[in-house]
Amino acid sequence: GAVVSQHPSWVICKSGTSVKIECRSLDFQATTMFWYRQFPKQSLMLMATSNEGSKATYEQGVEKDKFLINHASLTLSTLTVTSAHPEDSSFYICSARNPNRYEQYFGPGTRLTVT
Amino acid sequence: AQSVTQPDIHITVSEGASLELRCNYSYGATPYLFWYVQSPGQGLQLLLKYFSGDTLVQGIKGFEAEFKRSQSSFNLRKPSVHWSDAAEYFCAVGARGSQGNLIFGKGTKLSVKP
Repeated sequence: GAVVSQHPSWVICKSGTSVKIECRSLDFQATTMFWYRQFPKQSLMLMATSNEGSKATYEQGVEKDKFLINHASLTLSTLTVTSAHPEDSSFYICSARNPNRYEQYFGPGTRLTVT
Repeated sequence: AQSVTQPDIHITVSEGASLELRCNYSYGATPYLFWYVQSPGQGLQLLLKYFSGDTLVQGIKGFEAEFKRSQSSFNLRKPSVHWSDAAEYFCAVGARGSQGNLIFGKGTKLSVKP
């Protein structure tokens, strides 16, 4: 299957700082990428849909000023957690949709811990 | 609204035994249906998907799933479980004609006894 990478895989930051997570589609151009959040032992919750060259569409309840998403190119989307707080600690997973197919390919995830 | 229900939070089976993980969905029409597997601390790997056609779908690692429209179900099966199958399994639905965003069930954790 297609390869999607995320960087970093694991990050610890102090409360009040910002953290950027990168999601790259390595072998196809993804016009649409998705960002999910997963709490321990729970399912994935869609945070936002990212379309290349346009503003992201956020799900209800997700603060767009706190979780900044930029889909600057067909192979890169970034999620910036601004002014992070301990409650933002979670596992963040991105996915990329092959424009010729419906299915998504998931990255390995980024574990964020805010102290 | 769309929803996905995985009624079993945790299932334990013996190695070599058969497996069935249940998934029911609520949707106005027939959605796209997926099963993903997640190992601890990892992303998701697609096991199989149903878009249309034959309601019995074959996937990777010996898994199969059957779409039953009358029951709004898409149960995952494997005839003989291996210890390496221990993981979290997620059922997901997607709306036809949408951008592709998925709604996931809460997942079923599979443990395998030697």
